[in-house]
Amino acid sequence: DTAVSQTPKYLVTQMGNDKSIKCEQNLGHDTMYWYKQDSKKFLKIMFSYNNKELIINETVPNRFSPKSPDKAHLNLHINSLELGDSAVYFCASSQGAGWQPQHFGDGTRLSIL
Amino acid sequence: AQRVTQPEKLLSVFKGAPVELKCNYSYSGSPELFWYVQYSRQRLQLLLRHISRESIKGFTADLNKGETSFHLKKPFAQEEDSAMYYCALSGQVGTDKLIFGTGTRLQVFP
Repeated sequence: DTAVSQTPKYLVTQMGNDKSIKCEQNLGHDTMYWYKQDSKKFLKIMFSYNNKELIINETVPNRFSPKSPDKAHLNLHINSLELGDSAVYFCASSQGAGWQPQHFGDGTRLSIL
Repeated sequence: AQRVTQPEKLLSVFKGAPVELKCNYSYSGSPELFWYVQYSRQRLQLLLRHISRESIKGFTADLNKGETSFHLKKPFAQEEDSAMYYCALSGQVGTDKLIFGTGTRLQVFP
């Protein structure tokens, strides 16, 4: 009965590869997010979708492309992975806008070799 | 510009000691402020928000608009409070995003 679930938990891959991270929430929320947490534990928003519509798109390389097939899912596809992409990526959801409490997934630890 | 500052990267106390995790913010309008906590090997979760004025797990936080602060306090720390604590800020407009501070690691020693 996990509220926000991400797969995979760990992702180890080589530079230049393309990978995807999936996120699903069963809370009935209409807004979903992707965050990146770097090695210093700094947490920064990347994208936000509300009802499948992109509402926040931070300064993120266009190698990162979010996709929201429906309100309950927000996937993150990353092309041509680089060493600097190594981080923990967190998915989150909320009912309404960013000031509403957000529920986070367990995170996906991405390691680039 | 919106900004959240947590000046301490690490705060170490002994069990039973008072704890104060500092958070200062910069925002031109009326902010919504939160404290999120991440226990070891667990997901980030909401601890409390200023609008609800609750006390969660013995923690409280008061919004001081004059000092633009939202410090998190607990009178008697417990070992299970050891975690990473993030202060976060959002505006009240639909497209506003949640801005996190850099986090403070709280270590409570027995």
